[in-house]
Amino acid sequence: QKEVEQNSGPLSVPEGAIASLNCTYSDRGSQSFFWYRQYSGKSPELIMFIYSNGDKEDGRFTAQLNKASQYVSLLIRDSQPSDSATYLCAVNSQDSSYKLIFGSGTRLLVRP
Amino acid sequence: GAGVSQSPSNKVTEKGKDVELRCDPISGHTALYWYRQSLGQGLEFLIYFQGNSAPDKSGLPSDRFSAERTGGSVSTLTIQRTQQEDSAVYLCASSLGLVGTEAFFGQGTRLTVV
Repeated sequence: QKEVEQNSGPLSVPEGAIASLNCTYSDRGSQSFFWYRQYSGKSPELIMFIYSNGDKEDGRFTAQLNKASQYVSLLIRDSQPSDSATYLCAVNSQDSSYKLIFGSGTRLLVRP
Repeated sequence: GAGVSQSPSNKVTEKGKDVELRCDPISGHTALYWYRQSLGQGLEFLIYFQGNSAPDKSGLPSDRFSAERTGGSVSTLTIQRTQQEDSAVYLCASSLGLVGTEAFFGQGTRLTVV
């Protein structure tokens, strides 16, 4: 079983819609959770991080964490074509010597 | 430097040759990661350093791959007797190495084995 799992997609949404990206993780001791965005041919860049159960909002982005279900999601409101990219979920914990573990990413396509 | 620096940015080598890829992390970052990404694929974990030690080398695909880090700073990834399947983008990232601290990525080295 992979430690961090994501649906590879592509997830296709129309411009202006809400895109919902999901990630599950296997290590119940995971403590912090990150969402990275990677444009084609570029390096990943951090969008958001979350530590506590519940929601965290930053502009059009909302990260949601449910530790009991070992589930973290990223919502993108008012999706734009420029949001089209691969979104990577990552987790780390003290138990893993703080190693950041990445999922394989979900490709998002926002149709104009 | 201001960010993670990798060199060279592009490398073309002949099959069977050895290559060295360099990563210069953000100053003060104790954790350093190497990943490999083939075209259209996800990040493949190679190795993770905390300081100069490597708690996790589990991702190195074969004994042709090795990495070292000296002085808790610069790291080199060495691939011996390169094969065509080694062609990929090699990404380095660094972080403060604590829970809750993000990793910052370099721009990568694109390796092509011909």
